[in-house]
Amino acid sequence: AQSVTQPDIHITVSEGASLELRCNYSYGATPYLFWYVQSPGQGLQLLLKYFSGDTLVQGIKGFEAEFKRSQSSFNLRKPSVHWSDAAEYFCAVGNLNFGNEKLTFGTGTRLTIIP
Amino acid sequence: NAGVTQTPKFRVLKTGQSMTLLCAQDMNHEYMYWYRQDPGMGLRLIHYSVGEGTTAKGEVPDGYNVSRLKKQNFLLGLESAAPSQTSVYFCASSHVGELFFGEGSRLTVL
Repeated sequence: AQSVTQPDIHITVSEGASLELRCNYSYGATPYLFWYVQSPGQGLQLLLKYFSGDTLVQGIKGFEAEFKRSQSSFNLRKPSVHWSDAAEYFCAVGNLNFGNEKLTFGTGTRLTIIP
Repeated sequence: NAGVTQTPKFRVLKTGQSMTLLCAQDMNHEYMYWYRQDPGMGLRLIHYSVGEGTTAKGEVPDGYNVSRLKKQNFLLGLESAAPSQTSVYFCASSHVGELFFGEGSRLTVL
């Protein structure tokens, strides 16, 4: 069974500082990996995804993530955070086989930005 | 520009009452999903559908039923609500793995 672990429940960083959110997955085959962001009272929005190819993927809002197969990780990074990045972030692993296209989400990391 | 629309956005029920949440998408997606979100537990898949007329169980299907009579609509029903079903419910549709979410429906069962 596929699973996702986000070990950090809550992270606080200063505005302008760098950010790394951790994600570890368990999956029996080549994983499809995603990061989503959820602002308060909103649904989730896709930040970036990894299907294959280059292990460093770029997303929206200046985020990037690196797929490391040897570590079963897909950590999210941003070099300089903005106050508007305060939100909850979810890592997900997916199965895109036809008829079985569904994602398993981690429990999320809440990001707080301090001035 | 609607995307995925959920109704209602808020609802309070008494234990034992029934209700239906409606999800509508205008992107012609085949796949649709119902998730519930609870503090510290992330999103858990309740039921999903890979096309009109088909549904399948997800991770936490007990106490819920779904129907996909039209491609654009995915209904989630609670036949006899329980306090454990207090949650925020999200509907989503997907295309090549990318999920598009509605804004959520907050349900409280007293």
